[in-house]
Amino acid sequence: DADVTQTPRNRITKTGKRIMLECSQTKGHDRMYWYRQDPGLGLRLIYYSFDVKDINKGEISDGYSVSRQAQAKFSLSLESAIPNQTALYFCATSSPRILAGAGDEQFFGPGTRLTVL
Amino acid sequence: RKEVEQDPGPFNVPEGATVAFNCTYSNSASQSFFWYRQDCRKEPKLLMSVYSSGNEDGRFTAQLNRASQYISLLIRDSKLSDSATYLCVVNQAGTALIFGKGTTLSVSS
Repeated sequence: DADVTQTPRNRITKTGKRIMLECSQTKGHDRMYWYRQDPGLGLRLIYYSFDVKDINKGEISDGYSVSRQAQAKFSLSLESAIPNQTALYFCATSSPRILAGAGDEQFFGPGTRLTVL
Repeated sequence: RKEVEQDPGPFNVPEGATVAFNCTYSNSASQSFFWYRQDCRKEPKLLMSVYSSGNEDGRFTAQLNRASQYISLLIRDSKLSDSATYLCVVNQAGTALIFGKGTTLSVSS
């Protein structure tokens, strides 16, 4: 079974609709992230959470909101979807390394391909 | 200036070739460095961490130059299966990772 799962894997919706993308992990990691990926723009961070009570905006949070329902679940919502939110969305998790200054490896889910018409 | 910059390529090389990718980062406070690999329409996966002393994993060698703020990845004896996009990644302690846009490698027979 995959350690990081995302649902749905593909979604086509219309402008103005509310959409929720869900992410679950069985790795026991405290840290979770949402990214979007667009051709030519690479991965851009939307929101991240270092524990259940911690939510932080990333580079491109406008138009998105998140909820960290539990350590294992982190959902991303588009309250009113627009066409330029068409993208590939990835959830990721990580656990901080013990050594100070050492970065933590991120583990990605398989992605959700969202199309907003 | 972008925080992490990479040549997008594509790099087209024959099997057996040696190919090198470079990456520059703008924040001198960056503390951790990685190379991730991403296959077409798949999720990124960690290829290797990059340490100040340089490190090697089989055919892959990563190096870090803090003074010049650049990171390199060298792939020797390229295989068809090495075809992918390689993402340069940096972060500071306590923050999220910052990804470069990636360098595309295509290895042909």
